[in-house]
Amino acid sequence: NAGVMQNPRHLVRRRGQEARLRCSPMKGHSHVYWYRQLPEEGLKFMVYLQKENIIDESGMPKERFSAEFPKEGPSILRIQQVVRGDSAAYFCASSTTGWGNTEAFFGQGTRLTVV
Amino acid sequence: GESVGLHLPTLSVQEGDNSIINCAYSNSASDYFIWYKQESGKGPQFIIDIRSNMDKRQGQRVTVLLNKTVKHLSLQIAATQPGDSAVYFCAENMAGSSNTGKLIFGQGTTLQVKP
Repeated sequence: NAGVMQNPRHLVRRRGQEARLRCSPMKGHSHVYWYRQLPEEGLKFMVYLQKENIIDESGMPKERFSAEFPKEGPSILRIQQVVRGDSAAYFCASSTTGWGNTEAFFGQGTRLTVV
Repeated sequence: GESVGLHLPTLSVQEGDNSIINCAYSNSASDYFIWYKQESGKGPQFIIDIRSNMDKRQGQRVTVLLNKTVKHLSLQIAATQPGDSAVYFCAENMAGSSNTGKLIFGQGTTLQVKP
């Protein structure tokens, strides 16, 4: 049973470009969470999705950021017109039911560098 | 405001000794707490969790203690091994948000194990 798969592991983008981060949850998991981690800091919640639905996006910036989890395929975190401050590690986690009722597993993360 | 913090940024212990990592939280409404281990370049790895209706929970070589009176959480690692070297994060989940995956993470404590 493969774990949470994130790709790419490393992504370099120039300012103004778009970044697309992908997350394939563990088999049987229908709940996906995205977190952002700045260097030397803890993780910050961004968004929680279930298949085809955004449940909680209170941690996501209102502009340039969007997330989806389609019926088929991985969850995508999209950052438009990236700026240097978007440089961070982005982690995805998945679980079978809502967090707190079952353990959630994190992926290895995507490290985004904006140059 | 809400915050989860760790008392010491770095903890250095001798191999074989016991380690204690502390965490203070400010939100008395939090009802679920998790400890994560994060190795360099990897995603957070679940260690142990505890609900607010408990004050102690034991796992394999690890024990989590919860003191709701002073809003304090600790992680005890018995017979610390070199493989335990990592950054340790505590995270809290507020009552009512246990299904949203909206964890609040602390800044992290780096555990260094000396051979």
